Amino acid sequence: KQEVTQIPAALSVPEGENLVLNCSFTDSAIYNLQWFRQDPGKGLTSLLLIQSSQREQTSGRLNASLDKSSGRSTLYIAASQPGDSATYLCAVRGNQFYFGTGTSLTVIP
Amino acid sequence: NAGVTQTPKFRILKIGQSMTLQCTQDMNHNYMYWYRQDPGMGLKLIYYSVGAGITDKGEVPNGYNVSRSTTEDFPLRLELAAPSQTSVYFCASSYGGEAAFFGQGTRLTVV
Repeated sequence: KQEVTQIPAALSVPEGENLVLNCSFTDSAIYNLQWFRQDPGKGLTSLLLIQSSQREQTSGRLNASLDKSSGRSTLYIAASQPGDSATYLCAVRGNQFYFGTGTSLTVIP
Repeated sequence: NAGVTQTPKFRILKIGQSMTLQCTQDMNHNYMYWYRQDPGMGLKLIYYSVGAGITDKGEVPNGYNVSRSTTEDFPLRLELAAPSQTSVYFCASSYGGEAAFFGQGTRLTVV
C-alpha cells in the first residue's frame, strides 16, 4: 500500500523567506504527483501537477520537483507572503490518489 | 466553470438517520472520488468510479454506498449514521491521469 509522508507537519517563516516543503512516497509506480493548497474550512485547490515522466513544474513563485526513483517531491515557494499561509498537501496517483497529512504553513508579516 | 459542486455544505444528523451527499461535475471527467478528511489523518478514499455504471471500494467503504448512473453525478449515501462518520467529505473528479479537482466539502456531524 502506498504511504505518503510530508515533513515538516508545521512550518512558520517570516515574510519574504524562500521555503521548501517535502513529500515522500513508498511506491515509485505512480502516474503523477499533485500539490494542493487547503485553506481552513475550505476545499483543495490544485497548485501543480507533475506527470511521472517529468522532473519539475513551475507556476509563478511555485516550483515542484519529482524524483520518482527515490520517492521524493519538493514544493519550493519563493519570496513567501502572508497569503501563502495554508495547509499544503501532496497526493500521488496510482490506481487512486494517496494523500499525505499535509504541512501547515504560517507566513508571519 | 462550476467545476465540482457538493451539496449540502453542512449537515447535522442524528444517530441512525440516513442521508445522501450530492456531487456533480461539469468537466466531463470519467473518474470521480469520495474522500473523508479527519483531523490529523489525511484524506481517506471511500469509493471511486472510473465511469458511469462502474464503482469500486476505497480504503474506508463501510457504512457508505455510491452509484454512478451518469458521467456528471456521483452521490454518496450514508445509511444508519454513526458518530464515527462525523467528518468532512470531499468529492473530486479527474480525467484519466490528469489533475484532480475537488469540491468545497460537506461538513457532517452525527450526534
